[in-house]
Amino acid sequence: SQKIEQNSEALNIQEGKTATLTCNYTNYSPAYLQWYRQDPGRGPVFLLLIRENEKEKRKERLKVTFDTTLKQSLFHITASQPADSATYLCALAPGYSSASKIIFGSGTRLSIRP
Amino acid sequence: NAGVTQTPKFRILKIGQSMTLQCAQDMNHNYMYWYRQDPGMGLKLIYYSVGAGITDKGEVPNGYNVSRSTTEDFPLRLELAAPSQTSVYFCASSRTGGNSPLHFGNGTRLTVT
Repeated sequence: SQKIEQNSEALNIQEGKTATLTCNYTNYSPAYLQWYRQDPGRGPVFLLLIRENEKEKRKERLKVTFDTTLKQSLFHITASQPADSATYLCALAPGYSSASKIIFGSGTRLSIRP
Repeated sequence: NAGVTQTPKFRILKIGQSMTLQCAQDMNHNYMYWYRQDPGMGLKLIYYSVGAGITDKGEVPNGYNVSRSTTEDFPLRLELAAPSQTSVYFCASSRTGGNSPLHFGNGTRLTVT
């Protein structure tokens, strides 16, 4: 069956450390993979998009990698801050023939303690 | 710039009632999406549209209907509401589908009792 799995429901780390979140997928060949942040009671907000022919993308303290052999994307937040506490969702477009259909993983709730 | 606007913000329905969740975007995006999010879970795709007059099923379409008569609007219809449809519903739009960001509305919280 087709699945998108994010490594854990919750991740709790110390301020200043690097947070690493994992998104694994099964039986998809995604053309694109995206990461979103969601705060309680709000809609998700787009962070980064990476294409299948890209290995890595960066934006300020954020970095995303995409390994199509391992079928995995990693999302890193360096020098984490309490304000980074939120739920992070990965999303993918299953393939070039269904590139408009975007489906989401279940999310990882990240808590940064001071 | 309003972005994606969803109405209503909250609604309580009795079992068997029907309602339409409204979604409008002012960014001239061709692609629009409806998701539902149950407590503590990720988003499940209900329906999506790649342009006016074109809609397609997502992961969980049963119990819902959509239409897309204009680029701006993408209403979601619930017929014969059931408790299992209690959820938060998010509408989103994007310029070019999977290779561009989704812009989300603030959601509609629906309770069916």
